[in-house]
Amino acid sequence: QQPVQSPQAVILREGEDAVINCSSSKALYSVHWYRQKHGEAPVFLMILLKGGEQKGHDKISASFNEKKQQSSLYLTASQLSYSGTYFCGTEYAAGNKLTFGGGTRVLVKP
Amino acid sequence: EPEVTQTPSHQVTQMGQEVILRCVPISNHLYFYWYRQILGQKVEFLVSFYNNEISEKSEIFDDQFSVERPDGSNFTLKIRSTKLEDSAMYFCASNILSGQETQYFGPGTRLLVL
Repeated sequence: QQPVQSPQAVILREGEDAVINCSSSKALYSVHWYRQKHGEAPVFLMILLKGGEQKGHDKISASFNEKKQQSSLYLTASQLSYSGTYFCGTEYAAGNKLTFGGGTRVLVKP
Repeated sequence: EPEVTQTPSHQVTQMGQEVILRCVPISNHLYFYWYRQILGQKVEFLVSFYNNEISEKSEIFDDQFSVERPDGSNFTLKIRSTKLEDSAMYFCASNILSGQETQYFGPGTRLLVL
């Protein structure tokens, strides 16, 4: 059961905001967000453990809604460097594998 | 900053041949993983390894696959008889304390089976 990401793709102008959602039908233990540039390895952005906390990393932040079993990633005042494919990886129990969503392709244009 | 390393970066092999992909996880990490990503698709879990044994594996990880930690630093993935559909990017990942820390990914090995 993989998490469902939406939207599948988004095109932004530099400085615009976007939200990427990651939903699970199963109770989540944690959500990990990664960004992957073409031909490169996924790069860790942040981890959210169940508890609903919000985290931030530069102008990228994320929240975890335990009731909805959903995490959202917020790209604020997007920069060209934000372009890439964003994956959420979900963990259903401590010590589990990461199950990745299908990815959201983000393109930030000047 | 410590990082996960993988060798080779690229491997081309003939169908039916054996390949060994190598990984050196971050030195104080205890949990190790292999994932693969077919071109243009999502990252898929293959296997996790802890305390010198497989802790979990996916349906993809059939009898053709095996993992080993031959010494204190290397973590290998062997594919015994490669198939065309094994062509993918293979990522090794590790973390120190599963469930509270993220998994750090290596740069990947691009495997092409002809």
